[in-house]
Amino acid sequence: QSALTQPASVSGSPGQSITISCTGTSSDVGGYNYVSWYQQHPGKTPKLMIHDVTNRPSGVSNRFSASKSGNTASLTISGLQAEDEADYYCSSYTSSDTFVFGTGTKVTVL
Amino acid sequence: EVQLLESGGGLVQPGGSLRLSCAASGFSFSSYAIYWVRQAPGKGLEWVSGISDSGSRTYYADSVKGRFTISRDNSMNTVYLQLNSLRAEDTALYYCARRIIPGPTFDYWGQGTLVTVSS
Repeated sequence: QSALTQPASVSGSPGQSITISCTGTSSDVGGYNYVSWYQQHPGKTPKLMIHDVTNRPSGVSNRFSASKSGNTASLTISGLQAEDEADYYCSSYTSSDTFVFGTGTKVTVL
Repeated sequence: EVQLLESGGGLVQPGGSLRLSCAASGFSFSSYAIYWVRQAPGKGLEWVSGISDSGSRTYYADSVKGRFTISRDNSMNTVYLQLNSLRAEDTALYYCARRIIPGPTFDYWGQGTLVTVSS
């Protein structure tokens, strides 16, 4: 159950697009179409942003999109805004209703 | 309104025990699996344990298997996490979260309860 690998930090200027990668193995990310993404502001509870690889829950901005290719999932934030500055975590189904989270990525809006 | 409220955290010595509770309201509790996720100070999220809607199936991360036990009382809308043989590395904020099957989709989270393991 090793954590999925994410870049420690990603930054961008307001209005730009950034992409966060989440790399696992064929036993997790690559084996199932069950990847979720969470946003966590400092001192706050994680918020679900994407589920089942590409699906955005009601209320989440369409500036957030996601995809998966092989063992790597990706989250893209378009039109970067100051409020997007937060930590982001991916999560994948592994087997038998167990899961693994990513190492987390700090997004900085320059 | 969906609410999850954790309690039971505190300071405990290495080797000690605690029981965490997650009280739910605002939804049909017995229809959802509930999971525990923890976050050590300044660190990332770590999945810890989960229990199916009926309570018949339980799941544990390797790091806590054999030491933690999850259970639920659907009549009380509450999930419990018994923490035994605690170690310093178990120090974390423990969140409970509602899972939407089939994936790692946790749509509602509690505010967390802090467990500190220290002598």
